[in-house]
Amino acid sequence: NAGVTQTPKFRVLKTGQSMTLLCAQDMNHEYMYWYRQDPGMGLRLIHYSVGEGTTAKGEVPDGYNVSRLKKQNFLLGLESAAPSQTSVYFCASSYLVGTGISYEQYFGPGTRLTVT
Amino acid sequence: QQPVQSPQAVILREGEDAVINCSSSKALYSVHWYRQKHGEAPVFLMILLKGGEQKGHDKISASFNEKKQQSSLYLTASQLSYSGTYFCGTEGFSNDYKLSFGAGTTVTVRA
Repeated sequence: NAGVTQTPKFRVLKTGQSMTLLCAQDMNHEYMYWYRQDPGMGLRLIHYSVGEGTTAKGEVPDGYNVSRLKKQNFLLGLESAAPSQTSVYFCASSYLVGTGISYEQYFGPGTRLTVT
Repeated sequence: QQPVQSPQAVILREGEDAVINCSSSKALYSVHWYRQKHGEAPVFLMILLKGGEQKGHDKISASFNEKKQQSSLYLTASQLSYSGTYFCGTEGFSNDYKLSFGAGTTVTVRA
């Protein structure tokens, strides 16, 4: 049981390049999230998904796209990277307790992205 | 809208107590608390639901005052292992299962 894994762990991009970050979870969780973490800003939600085939925008979605074709995977894409997207990206997953209460989020180890 | 955490940072000696506050401008359904060690992923500590409940995790406990839209995390008799950055995450009544996280409170416990 690996929990939540993220690929890659580190990446350096040049301005204008594109890339995809992969998040995978083996806990059969319904909900998945992408956050970015910048110094002094805490965790800010980029996009999230409440189930396979569905995605929604979070607080800071501009410049990012996501897809959830399979329940266990959540992909984050940067079409044209900008220096402002230099950050640490965390993926998380969560499950719904039977009474309708959302429960703890399990975080992946993070991807450190630098855009030069 | 992000909740506001205070203080931004606190330095403790082993055995001392501390309180971290989390305040929101919107009505809250739940408050989550996470701790992140340097270079690691955030780890879940506890969740508090509306109803003013109080929960505990070892000597770390929390309260939730839904009327004031505030939660407090209590670190009692702090240990070196308590060092890290603590985040509160708040959930409103929009039923979309997403959290807004505060900017974090960095706790340093010294021997």
